[in-house]
Amino acid sequence: GESVGLHLPTLSVQEGDNSIINCAYSNSASDYFIWYKQESGKGPQFIIDIRSNMDKRQGQRVTVLLNKTVKHLSLQIAATQPGDSAVYFCAEVKRAHDMRFGAGTRLTVKP
Amino acid sequence: DSGVTQTPKHLITATGQRVTLRCSPRSGDLSVYWYQQSLDQGLQFLIQYYNGEERAKGNILERFSAQQFPDLHSELNLSSLELGDSALYFCASSRKGDLSYNEQFFGPGTRLTVL
Repeated sequence: GESVGLHLPTLSVQEGDNSIINCAYSNSASDYFIWYKQESGKGPQFIIDIRSNMDKRQGQRVTVLLNKTVKHLSLQIAATQPGDSAVYFCAEVKRAHDMRFGAGTRLTVKP
Repeated sequence: DSGVTQTPKHLITATGQRVTLRCSPRSGDLSVYWYQQSLDQGLQFLIQYYNGEERAKGNILERFSAQQFPDLHSELNLSSLELGDSALYFCASSRKGDLSYNEQFFGPGTRLTVL
């Protein structure tokens, strides 16, 4: 069936390095994709989104890449900081307001 | 602090019971969304209300219902509770009514435990 998933459940990086979190999706009939960050004990926080007709979008220290050919989405975090430690979710939004989330990747930043 | 408030923070109840979760959106936001987050299912979109009317429906069970009141606060009602309903329930709000380029702000969640 249709699904939104993540390649890596955990990711550990050194402070200052760049992080790349990946997401695979199986259904191409979506309007756009969103990345969320969830810190322990808190609700998800919107990071960045990208429309399905784009292949790249940049924010502050974050970049989202969309490869529709292989149905792959990634979130790049530049100069990762300890405050970036959290679980990151991708979400797929379809025209029917059907929003589906991936399982999440836990990012741990080592000092 | 996102500006979205949810009460209660924790709720413990028994199977078969009914509970009501409450959400107050950010000031000026017209849309309210409800999500369920469980260990085995991850984060799931349940339902969206915009300015008092249902706008979108996700994986919401028939035992669950929601409404948005004139003051824009929302309630999620869960009835005939089962063990599997134990989860974190998040509310989010946004300025507009659709899901495109419309940032959602999440509340701190209500942790429901069904015994």
